[in-house]
Amino acid sequence: GQSLEQPSEVTAVEGAIVQINCTYQTSGFYGLSWYQQHDGGAPTFLSYNALDGLEETGRFSSFLSRSDSYGYLLLQELQMKDSASYFCAVMDSNYQLIWGAGTKLIIKP
Amino acid sequence: GAGVSQTPSNKVTEKGKYVELRCDPISGHTALYWYRQSLGQGPEFLIYFQGTGAADDSGLPNDRFFAVRPEGSVSTLKIQRTERGDSAVYLCASSREGQPGEQFFGPGTRLTVL
Repeated sequence: GQSLEQPSEVTAVEGAIVQINCTYQTSGFYGLSWYQQHDGGAPTFLSYNALDGLEETGRFSSFLSRSDSYGYLLLQELQMKDSASYFCAVMDSNYQLIWGAGTKLIIKP
Repeated sequence: GAGVSQTPSNKVTEKGKYVELRCDPISGHTALYWYRQSLGQGPEFLIYFQGTGAADDSGLPNDRFFAVRPEGSVSTLKIQRTERGDSAVYLCASSREGQPGEQFFGPGTRLTVL
């Protein structure tokens, strides 16, 4: 079967750093995407990793280890507006995005 | 257009009725995807178009669901004989040629079947 595991909820303090992990088991793998979704909003693309390593885009970074079937999203200098759900999604061999259930990030002042 | 648009934003219907949901992708995006999302869950893949043809419709739950993209741009998701379990937010996304991992989503249509 196909599955993605990510924590259901993470709490952090404004200004801090938080890491959201994702492990996956899928039939075929082309890459790992991360999306942000605010309550009532649509998913917004954050990053896509096809190769091992760390990709940095401003305050957000994403890491992939294909041998470990593992990735993470790193958010630095947390702001209150970063409170949202974060989804990892694997691009499988059919070019379908298989989504995790999402991690709700709660940021406290 | 500037982004993916979907109409209507909300649709309330009665069990057994037929509904159509429309998606207008970003101009020039060749791939178009339909998902549905229930509260507290990630989006669930329904169907993917590359141009006018359905490249993968394996996510459609049953034959009451059908989607078309006749001119390779606007797409319509059609649901026949709606059931209460069809209630969800239906999301449409589009992506550039060769970049399926970077999808741009519309605001969704919230479908409620009474």
